[in-house]
Amino acid sequence: AQKVTQAQTEISVVEKEDVTLDCVYETRDTTYYLFWYKQPPSGELVFLIRRNSFDEQNEISGRYSWNFQKSTSSFNFTITASQVVDSAVYFCALKGGPNNAGNMLTFGGGTRLMVKP
Amino acid sequence: NAGVTQTPKFQVLKTGQSMTLQCAQDMNHEYMSWYRQDPGMGLRLIHYSVGAGITDQGEVPNGYNVSRSTTEDFPLRLLSAAPSQTSVYFCASSYSKIPGNTEAFFGQGTRLTVV
Repeated sequence: AQKVTQAQTEISVVEKEDVTLDCVYETRDTTYYLFWYKQPPSGELVFLIRRNSFDEQNEISGRYSWNFQKSTSSFNFTITASQVVDSAVYFCALKGGPNNAGNMLTFGGGTRLMVKP
Repeated sequence: NAGVTQTPKFQVLKTGQSMTLQCAQDMNHEYMSWYRQDPGMGLRLIHYSVGAGITDQGEVPNGYNVSRSTTEDFPLRLLSAAPSQTSVYFCASSYSKIPGNTEAFFGQGTRLTVV
């Protein structure tokens, strides 16, 4: 069975602080895919990043960066110089490999990030 | 390009009523799925479809039915609503040509309350 754990249910920071959202996953698949989604107060789910299990390079996109470490089964997300607009619920998700019928996603419980001005 | 469209956005049902949540996508995606979101539990898969005429159960299928008569549409039916089905429902679609290597596109969600 697959599992995604986001141990931080809620984080509060002051604007311009850096913040890291943790994601730990479990899977028996050797090929798998990891995702981060953002859910702003308006409720929609916004895709942020996809990472394949065979690509451990970290990625940076503007103020966002992701640290993928297979050795610790973690896929952490860092926001640098946080802004109020970053306030949202962030979900980490896992998709198994070739036997994953329908591209099903397993989600973590989400981390609510509150950025105060 | 509308993407994934869900209707309605909000709905209140009485216990025992039935209803259908609509989902349509215009991206010609083969894979479609329904998730429910409950506080602290993330999103959990209800049913999914890998193409027209093919559906299967996910993690929490009880109390829900689906059908897929066309590539574009994937309605979710609540047969006899129960308070435990109060949740936010998301429809998603994804491209199947490179299995697993594509992100899912989500609809805006339907907030359902069963009283």
